[in-house]
Amino acid sequence: AQSVAQPEDQVNVAEGNPLTVKCTYSVSGNPYLFWYVQYPNRGLQFLLKYITGDNLVKGSYGFEAEFNKSQTSFHLKKPSALVSDSALYFCAVRDMMGNTDKLIFGTGTRLQVFP
Amino acid sequence: DAGVIQSPRHEVTEMGQEVTLRCKPISGHNSLFWYRQTMMRGLELLIYFNNNVPIDDSGMPEDRFSAKMPNASFSTLKIQPSEPRDSAVYFCASSSGLLSEKLLFGSGTQLSVL
Repeated sequence: AQSVAQPEDQVNVAEGNPLTVKCTYSVSGNPYLFWYVQYPNRGLQFLLKYITGDNLVKGSYGFEAEFNKSQTSFHLKKPSALVSDSALYFCAVRDMMGNTDKLIFGTGTRLQVFP
Repeated sequence: DAGVIQSPRHEVTEMGQEVTLRCKPISGHNSLFWYRQTMMRGLELLIYFNNNVPIDDSGMPEDRFSAKMPNASFSTLKIQPSEPRDSAVYFCASSSGLLSEKLLFGSGTQLSVL
């Protein structure tokens, strides 16, 4: 089955510093990978996706993600963190096994950016 | 478009009562998903519809849960009878066409079963 793993429950970073939120995947076939963000009391919001092509994907709010096939990783990055980036971040993989077509989410990583 | 609309935002009920959660997807979207979020289990897919037809309900926890989509603009998730362990945030999301397009989520329904 397709799956993603987020090894860190929480990531703490100082404002202005670069941030990385980790995600590894396990898929059969070509991976379709996504990052979503959830702010308090809100639904998830799409940040970016990797389907094919350039390994560095740029998304909303200055975020980007690097697809690494050899390490089966899709880490979320931002060069300079903002306090307003503090939220819950989810990595997801598209599952198209059989007649299904759905997103499987990781457990989430809470990002805390300190002033 | 107002986005995916869920109601109610909050629901508090007593064990054994029936609970109905409602969702209005974005107009033109033909796929609708129900997710449940808890601290212990994270975000779980319960069921999803494509063109109003249930495609995958393997995530529905048990027979107490049922979902319907009578038309393209409305879906319900019903729990009967409800139990305290059903307490969670329930999200509805919709997308157009293939999931290579992004999922758009509603704001969720916070369910508390006492």
